[in-house]
This record gives sequence, C-alpha cells and structure tokens, in this order.
Amino acid sequence: EVQLVESGGGLVQPGGSLRLSCEGTGFIFSSHWMDWVRQAPGGGLEWVAHIKQDGSETYYLDSVRGRFTISRDNAKNSLSLQMNSLRVEDTARYFCARVSPVLGRTFDVWGQGVLVTVSS
Amino acid sequence: IQLTQSPSSLSASVGDRATITCRASQAIARYLVWYQQKPGQAPKLLIYSASTLQSGVPSRFSGSGSGTDFTLTISSLQPEDFATYYCQQINGYPLTFGGGTRVEI
Repeated sequence: EVQLVESGGGLVQPGGSLRLSCEGTGFIFSSHWMDWVRQAPGGGLEWVAHIKQDGSETYYLDSVRGRFTISRDNAKNSLSLQMNSLRVEDTARYFCARVSPVLGRTFDVWGQGVLVTVSS
Repeated sequence: IQLTQSPSSLSASVGDRATITCRASQAIARYLVWYQQKPGQAPKLLIYSASTLQSGVPSRFSGSGSGTDFTLTISSLQPEDFATYYCQQINGYPLTFGGGTRVEI
C-alpha cells in the first residue's frame, strides 16, 4: 500500500524550531518530487515547499523562505522540513504530499498530516 | 497566481446538482487540479488537467474550463460528497489553492 506518514509535530514557542519528517512506503520514493502543504486550523490549503527527486532543486513559499528547509534522504525513503524562527502564523497541520510522476505538479498521495502549534 | 473559488459554501440535498467555480488571476491553460477534503482527513485528488477524472473517482464528478475560468460539477450529490473542495493551479511556483468550497446538507 502506498503510504506517507508524518511525524515530529508539537507545541513550540515563537522563535523556536521544529523538524518534521515524512516516511514513504509502498512506492519508489526516489522517483518522486515531494512537497509540504499546510492547513491552518479551520483554514484552507497552502503550499509550503517542494524538492526534486535528487534534492538538487527546491522551491519555497515566500513567507517561509529563509526559515524553513526542505530536504530528503532517499536511502531512508524520508522527507524532512526543518522549521526555524517559527511564528504564530505557522500554526497548522502540515501534510507531506507525493507529486505524480505523470500528472505534472499534482499531488496524488497525501499523508494524514502532523499538527504544529506555535504559541507562548 | 491567485485562485478565487465561489461560492465559499453551498447547501444542497442528495440528488442535487452542485457547481463550483474557480477563477485564476492569470491564464493557466489547463493546469488546474481539484481536490476533495473531508473533516479530519487529507485531501484527495479528484480531477487533473482541468477535466480528467483520477482513477476511481465516480463519473458524477466532472471538470471543465481553460485559461482563467474553471468549473467542478457534481451531477447528483451523494451523501459521501458532502465535503470541502479545493482547486489548485500547477502552472508554476508558488503553487496556490483556492479558498475552498464547503458543500453541506
């Protein structure tokens, strides 16, 4: 079964750091672009970051560039999001998403998400 | 690229036809995707390339449009269709989503 499972969420104070992880199973992880998407409580979806299969290319939402870093370890089928200088407005459920290899930048598999709360 | 979805919510009954629109702030050809999200769940891919149904999605769902104006239609609402629907443009980064349309009974 194709699956993505996130971990690492929690409560952190403003200015703090957190590292999210996402493990992919049931598919060839190294063949796919991967992304992070977040959803604030009661809000809509917001794309956060993207990484190419070999990690050579990354893109970020303007509001997180310079604070967040997306990375991957294909040997461990793992995607990460290092979040520094966290702000209250970063509070959200963070989903990792697999990009379809044939449908352009379309997310065909999603994890269940992990909650990040930034509060003092 | 901003995506404006309308309505933000709609009330309907089982068997009704539901139509959701998504307007892009600039032309995106057919680089438009639709997702369905139920409470407490991750989004699910419904339609890609503006009008192509993802495998396993019921044929009562359909998408149309190109350029800046797009539509998601559910021809006959079923109980399991009550959810929130999002459009997403994949024309370029930053990828963006519409604000969502909540379909409720």
